[in-house]
Amino acid sequence: EAGVAQSPRYKIIEKRQSVAFWCNPISGHATLYWYQQILGQGPKLLIQFQNNGVVDDSQLPKDRFSAERLKGVDSTLKIQPAKLEDSAVYLCASSPGADRKNTEAFFGQGTRLTVV
Amino acid sequence: AQSVAQPEDQVNVAEGNPLTVKCTYSVSGNPYLFWYVQYPNRGLQFLLKYITGDNLVKGSYGFEAEFNKSQTSFHLKKPSALVSDSALYFCAVRDSGGATNKLIFGTGTLLAVQP
Repeated sequence: EAGVAQSPRYKIIEKRQSVAFWCNPISGHATLYWYQQILGQGPKLLIQFQNNGVVDDSQLPKDRFSAERLKGVDSTLKIQPAKLEDSAVYLCASSPGADRKNTEAFFGQGTRLTVV
Repeated sequence: AQSVAQPEDQVNVAEGNPLTVKCTYSVSGNPYLFWYVQYPNRGLQFLLKYITGDNLVKGSYGFEAEFNKSQTSFHLKKPSALVSDSALYFCAVRDSGGATNKLIFGTGTLLAVQP
């Protein structure tokens, strides 16, 4: 079974530029999560999708961050414009769905973003 | 609201000694609890979970964790630490009765095993 795929692995941009991250979850997984992990901290949930609908985006800075999950499969997370404090690892994870809460989430390797 | 606390930023232990990494949680309903490990420049890897039943759960690489409902804790343990266990460990919680399968993580504990 293929795991969660993320790209790119690394990205360096200047502040005020835009950037996009891509995630392909495990096949058949209805739930997709985007987490932000700042160095030395735990993963912070930015947005959670169930199929192609947003379930929770309470901690997503909506003035600069956006995410979509078209067709309920792949997802993209965009930052525009980027700030220095957005430097972090962006982790994508997937799990089967809300009807299988006892199943763990599976993580991709993450995208390390550096804003200079 | 669900939350997880990992009170220790770092745990130091000598190789061969037992280790414990602490975790406490808060949820409205019954918890589903998870431990993950993160090695440098890698994503999170699942170690073990508590869903229901026996309070002592066993997972990968010889790790186990004990669920204690009265203390709302889910501490990670290993009888004999290895240098290769050195990594960042995260506890996570999900509300089994919640409308969504939101998964919330603690701040992490760095485990350092000295040879």
